[in-house]
Amino acid sequence: SQQGEEDPQALSIQEGENATMNCSYKTSINNLQWYRQNSGRGLVHLILIRSNEREKHSGRLRVTLDTSKKSSSLLITASRAADTASYFCATASGSARQLTFGSGTQLTVLP
Amino acid sequence: EADIYQTPRYLVIGTGKKITLECSQTMGHDKMYWYQQDPGMELHLIHYSYGVNSTEKGDLSSESTVSRIRTEHFPLTLESARPSHTSQYLCASSGDIPPYEQYFGPGTRLTVT
Repeated sequence: SQQGEEDPQALSIQEGENATMNCSYKTSINNLQWYRQNSGRGLVHLILIRSNEREKHSGRLRVTLDTSKKSSSLLITASRAADTASYFCATASGSARQLTFGSGTQLTVLP
Repeated sequence: EADIYQTPRYLVIGTGKKITLECSQTMGHDKMYWYQQDPGMELHLIHYSYGVNSTEKGDLSSESTVSRIRTEHFPLTLESARPSHTSQYLCASSGDIPPYEQYFGPGTRLTVT
């Protein structure tokens, strides 16, 4: 079964607004990663948060992790039209060198 | 510049043809992966390799096969393409040290008619 579930499935906002995407997972993890995918392209790694961290920032990105609720959120502040993409969470568990990807959130930022 | 490449980017081919999707990386990574992704859907791992002459099947059953004769090269082959193989195929690699962040190629969009 899918490890990560994301919501919303799709999100449409105006440029300048903040966008928040959520990810829930089922098993214990070592770290959780967020990736971005532009239409028809490969994924690009955005940010990683380890299981012993609660919050992490990178530029306009803020990620939180709540291991007790098995959930994470990605906040993009002051969104731009260029942020339009699909965003996926991915979890790494145990000694696994594989990632399990969520179903993704399609973000559209309107100019 | 270190990167990961996939060719072709787009392929439209008839049923029954044999196809090979190429994936190469110049980062010296031991770990490489193939994912299948339908439009707007999640990624499914179909094959992975942790080094030369090492290949494993992923979570999603696939009729494709892979080989890893050289570290930098991880081709995927379909012996007889079918319309059900129509999808996007993404190749990725990761380094040897945790947390194994993955680097993706641009993908190959395959259409089997």
